[in-house]
Amino acid sequence: ILNVEQSPQSLHVQEGDSTNFTCSFPSSNFYALHWYRWETAKSPEALFVMTLNGDEKKKGRISATLNTKEGYSYLYIKGSQPEDSATYLCAPRMDSSYKLIFGSGTRLLVRP
Amino acid sequence: DAGVIQSPRHEVTEMGQEVTLRCKPISGHDYLFWYRQTMMRGLELLIYFNNNVPIDDSGMPEDRFSAKMPNASFSTLKIQPSEPRDSAVYFCASTRSTGVNTEAFFGQGTRLTVV
Repeated sequence: ILNVEQSPQSLHVQEGDSTNFTCSFPSSNFYALHWYRWETAKSPEALFVMTLNGDEKKKGRISATLNTKEGYSYLYIKGSQPEDSATYLCAPRMDSSYKLIFGSGTRLLVRP
Repeated sequence: DAGVIQSPRHEVTEMGQEVTLRCKPISGHDYLFWYRQTMMRGLELLIYFNNNVPIDDSGMPEDRFSAKMPNASFSTLKIQPSEPRDSAVYFCASTRSTGVNTEAFFGQGTRLTVV
């Protein structure tokens, strides 16, 4: 069983605050790390796919870093907005099969 | 492309009835995944196919669940007989195996309620 841990489970912040959360995964047999954004009543949408140790990806106010040697990734949101409220999921790929095993997610609520 | 298409969007059925969920992956994608979302377990992988062949069905909860992919553009997930604990949102996703950076695309999900 693949152990994917995300923390915190939930986060409430004020509009304008910057925030970050963590995804931990086994550091052996690593292929890629996916981040998804999942709004209520919608389907998960891909944010980033990262593969190399030290990778950094950015999309607008959201960025992510990857440490494959120690098995973790951080997702950062700068200047949170209410529309950022969603569950953020990470899913590592640990073999060549393309299957994604998702963590339980971090549920972010941004208050206006 | 219209994306991954799932049907129906909502299904309410009585316990003991057969339920069939349908998925049309994005054209050209060679991997198809079925996931189930529950409060307790989050988004769990049930089964996935590569080139229409089931590769790993270890996530299928029990024999009441079965999945098929008769061709590259269609897959079904069947529950027979259904039970109230099967109530969940079922997602289908697809991806193309073009490299490590490929992402999976999800359908809108089917919300199943078994009463």
